[in-house]
Amino acid sequence: EDKVVQSPLSLVVHEGDTVTLNCSYEVTNFRSLLWYKQEKKAPTFLFMLTSSGIEKKSGRLSSILDKKELFSILNITATQTGDSAIYLCAVPRGAGNMLTFGGGTRLMVKP
Amino acid sequence: DTEVTQTPKHLVMGMTNKKSLKCEQHMGHRAMYWYKQKAKKPPELMFVYSYEKLSINESVPSRFSPECPNSSLLNLHLHALQPEDSALYLCASRAPGRDYEQYFGPGTRLTVT
Repeated sequence: EDKVVQSPLSLVVHEGDTVTLNCSYEVTNFRSLLWYKQEKKAPTFLFMLTSSGIEKKSGRLSSILDKKELFSILNITATQTGDSAIYLCAVPRGAGNMLTFGGGTRLMVKP
Repeated sequence: DTEVTQTPKHLVMGMTNKKSLKCEQHMGHRAMYWYKQKAKKPPELMFVYSYEKLSINESVPSRFSPECPNSSLLNLHLHALQPEDSALYLCASRAPGRDYEQYFGPGTRLTVT
């Protein structure tokens, strides 16, 4: 059975700090790993990672995949209160590309 | 139009009621999904539609009945629900050729009394 595990479960930091969120996975027929940010409602897509060692970057957020060690990290630099959210990682499975989500990391950024 | 919309935003229903959730996208996506999300838990897949046909049912109880009338619309019909079915119901869609990116709607927060 595919498994996605995120750590830490929750994190409280102050504005300006840098955070690293972790996602490890065990899946058959790995194709990609996705990161989402979920604030009050809909998860919003952040990154899709398919190749090992290639960093994806968007502003203060960046992510990298290690296919040998079966994990990904999401980095957020110079955090802002607007970064407060649950960060979900997910891997697609099956012909329908159904997503198996990790449990999420709840990030709170204090002013 | 680059979004998935869901109505209603909130729904309160009794255990004997029949109601429907609606999801719509006009991005030409041909795969659509229903997820259920309980508080402090990640989304759990319920159904997958591919080209308007149900392709995946993750052993969801029959009191949830999905319907895909056309390529832009996805409904979830609810009947005889239980209080434990209270959750956020998320719809998502996926673009052809963008195999793994799913775009989520804002969800319907359902409370069963």
